[in-house]
Amino acid sequence: NAGVTQTPKFRILKIGQSMTLQCTQDMNHNYMYWYRQDPGMGLKLIYYSVGAGITDKGEVPNGYNVSRSTTEDFPLRLELAAPSQTSVYFCASTPQQGRPSTEASVVSQPQHFGDGTRLSIL
Amino acid sequence: GQQVMQIPQYQHVQEGEDFTTYCNSSTTLSNIQWYKQRPGGHPVFLIQLVKSGEVKKQKRLTFQFGEAKKNSSLHITATQTTDVGTYFCAGDETDSWGKLQFGAGTQVVVTP
Repeated sequence: NAGVTQTPKFRILKIGQSMTLQCTQDMNHNYMYWYRQDPGMGLKLIYYSVGAGITDKGEVPNGYNVSRSTTEDFPLRLELAAPSQTSVYFCASTPQQGRPSTEASVVSQPQHFGDGTRLSIL
Repeated sequence: GQQVMQIPQYQHVQEGEDFTTYCNSSTTLSNIQWYKQRPGGHPVFLIQLVKSGEVKKQKRLTFQFGEAKKNSSLHITATQTTDVGTYFCAGDETDSWGKLQFGAGTQVVVTP
């Protein structure tokens, strides 16, 4: 299994250009996520999906769009690139079901991350 | 909404020394997960804690979940250069799983 694969690994865009960051996973995970990580900072959730055809906004969705036509793929679209979108973008996935716990009804399973896309907008 | 905070933000450690990093949540968590990100790499899952007061060990790493399930700690003994990286904690709010809230991380630098 390749796990979570992201392409491209690096990209430089001009202000106003658009691009799609690709993410695919071969683990049959239903839950997929897009995060951005600014230098020295943690992970901020952009969008997530609980299955094919279902997407929802995270903490910082403005300037981005997603689609989920298949279980495997979860592309992230930047329509009008802005310098503030310079960041490292990580895609992640988890299995569909949470893990039953004796302490809580369900808890999240660990997330599997791709290697990231380093995006600079100049 | 839920906020997860980690302290310290940076930790400089002499090789062989011990240190502890802390994770605090503004709300009760159903579980806490810890991840490690090497420089230039991606976050990698280390461990998950679910029970109140739970303690788990992985070699030189000891993870603890607070009794009130609002805080956690990671203690590393005899730090090695391989411990360099950023350690993130992340958690679900109780009864709201599937969307982890990540802390900002503790960046660990080890000097030989």
